Amino acid sequence: AQKITQTQPGMFVQEKEAVTLDCTYDTSDQSYGLFWYKQPSSGEMIFLIYQGSYDEQNATEGRYSLNFQKARKSANLVISASQLGDSAMYFCAMREGEGGSEKLVFGKGTKLTVNP
Amino acid sequence: DTGVSQDPRHKITKRGQNVTFRCDPISEHNRLYWYRQTLGQGPEFLTYFQNEAQLEKSRLLSDRFSAERPKGSFSTLEIQRTEQGDSAMYLCASSSLQQETQYFGPGTRLLVL
Repeated sequence: AQKITQTQPGMFVQEKEAVTLDCTYDTSDQSYGLFWYKQPSSGEMIFLIYQGSYDEQNATEGRYSLNFQKARKSANLVISASQLGDSAMYFCAMREGEGGSEKLVFGKGTKLTVNP
Repeated sequence: DTGVSQDPRHKITKRGQNVTFRCDPISEHNRLYWYRQTLGQGPEFLTYFQNEAQLEKSRLLSDRFSAERPKGSFSTLEIQRTEQGDSAMYLCASSSLQQETQYFGPGTRLLVL
């Protein structure tokens, strides 16, 4: 079973509008971390935002916010006021287990295109 | 603040040749990770070091793959007898013990002909 599911292969948004990228996860651990990364065409994975499973408030970083719904096991990324430079692949990832594996498990990604 | 660096950025090789990639983590980061990313997929974990100790290896890391981090600083990933299926982006990341966020380098794109 997939640990991280990103159901939107591609998304389009108009410049200056907000967009939500979906991510659902599957784990039986109580302690885990959720991450979003941006990958432009150059290939580098750029860290955007982190949410710990015990964090009660949704994480925010500038124009990025993470809509964390623990009961639904979803961790959607919201980008406000989209910019042309936001066009890229976006990956959701999870690290499971406190003191356990340190590896990140990634989804297949969503390609975001920002139109002028 | 210097980020994670990787060398080379691109590598083209013929099937059967050996290749070696280098990763320099963010200074003072104890943890170092290698991932592989094929076209249209997210990165997949290969292996992880804490200081010089290799603590975890994926089943993806076949006998032809070996990774080292001899002094707990830079790391190398070697692929012996390359195959066309090894063509991928190889990503390195590092993190500190105090913060679990992994910061990635620019990657090495490998093409095996």
